[in-house]
Amino acid sequence: SYVLTQPPSVSVAPGQTARITCGGNNIGSKGVHWYQQKPGQAPVLVVYDDSDRPSGIPERFSGSNSGNTATLTISRVEAGDEAGYYCQVWDSSSDHPVFGGGTKLTVL
Amino acid sequence: QVQLQESGPGLVKPSQTLSLTCTVSGDSISSGNHYWSWIRQPPGKGLEWIGYIYYTGNTNYNPSLKSRVTISVDTSKNQFSLKLSSVTAADTAVYYCARDIISRTGNKVWFDPWGQGALVTVSS
Repeated sequence: SYVLTQPPSVSVAPGQTARITCGGNNIGSKGVHWYQQKPGQAPVLVVYDDSDRPSGIPERFSGSNSGNTATLTISRVEAGDEAGYYCQVWDSSSDHPVFGGGTKLTVL
Repeated sequence: QVQLQESGPGLVKPSQTLSLTCTVSGDSISSGNHYWSWIRQPPGKGLEWIGYIYYTGNTNYNPSLKSRVTISVDTSKNQFSLKLSSVTAADTAVYYCARDIISRTGNKVWFDPWGQGALVTVSS
């Protein structure tokens, strides 16, 4: 089955840019979606279909996808962005969704 | 504003059946515009998709759980439900229900929104 690989943790200082990667075989051919999960809360969609943002999500959140790597970029990081982030794709060969293992973003 | 709410027992004994219901408000399951999924998250771990259902009753399950999972729908109540049989401690998790959003091309699916989650502990 299709595997998505994320770094377990990323650290960034406030005001800087955080980049969280999601690796998968030819992931650039798939649509990648990103979720933010704060402790004790349900996941919230922050980017869908590689780079689109749902209404209400700040422009600081952006996404890209090419080759074997998709990236969630958070600009001007704030303390409130500290959370777990998960990438997700639909694996058409198995006809079910796949999640990455998640990345904990720490704001220093 | 679409909202999903999970409900059901928070404690289940080993070998018994876990049962949860998701109540949807702000959208109609019978509109046929979406699929409806269950997703779980063991404590301190990542997300695992369990399966989805369409308003017609058509289902698709995670192969790793398929032999133990049943998802059903009650369109009259705008609810869908999960049953997981023969549970063990490994099934202890927060269980989420979510609405599937399908791209126009039909080959991309994401989840929005999610319910708040229901913690189910398997213990005697």
